[in-house]
Amino acid sequence: QVQLVESGGGVVQPGRSLRLSCAVSGFTLSNYGMHWVRQAPGKGLEWVAVMSNDGSHISYVDSVKGRFTISRDNSKNTLFLQMNSLRVEDTAVYYCANGRGDGPEFDYWGQGTLVTVSS
Amino acid sequence: QSVLTQPPSASGTPGQRVTISCTGSSSNIGSNTVYWHQQFPGTAPKLLIYYNDQRPSGVPDRFSGSKSGTSASLAISGLQSEDEADYYCTTWDGSLNGWVFGGGTKLTVL
Repeated sequence: QVQLVESGGGVVQPGRSLRLSCAVSGFTLSNYGMHWVRQAPGKGLEWVAVMSNDGSHISYVDSVKGRFTISRDNSKNTLFLQMNSLRVEDTAVYYCANGRGDGPEFDYWGQGTLVTVSS
Repeated sequence: QSVLTQPPSASGTPGQRVTISCTGSSSNIGSNTVYWHQQFPGTAPKLLIYYNDQRPSGVPDRFSGSKSGTSASLAISGLQSEDEADYYCTTWDGSLNGWVFGGGTKLTVL
């Protein structure tokens, strides 16, 4: 059974950093690209970043470029999102989801982890 | 303002057929496949349609997707009360070099 479990969310002050993790089980992470998607309270879904299965291709939404870094450790079946210089508008539930691989993208989602940026 | 435009709301009565549109441009829907997601309050999204019109296993055939030019649609036939949820379209945008989501459509079953 496939499971994606996000962790690392919490309350942080503007300008500080946070690192999210997405632990994957039930499929081999190295076979899949992976996404981060976020949802601000009461708002719609916003795609944040994607990394190919081997890490050779990475893309970010403009609003996080230069501040967020997506990475992965395939040996530990874990995806990461390093978030620096956090802003109030980064407050959201952050989801990880599968990317291109042995099936359609966005087939598997985690339960999400809440990041609150507030002074 | 989302790159993909969806109506903010839609509604129907049980048994009816409803459609939700998703309008984009040549750089996104016009040249890439469309995915649709269903989301209930407080839960993670669930993939409903991929590659424009394909259903993952377990998704009822009441749900169908289509694409024409720079627009896509999600149709739900035989509407049920359990279909009341938010629906999002998404696709890759070659100009933005990233994925884009529609603003979402809240479906109400009257």
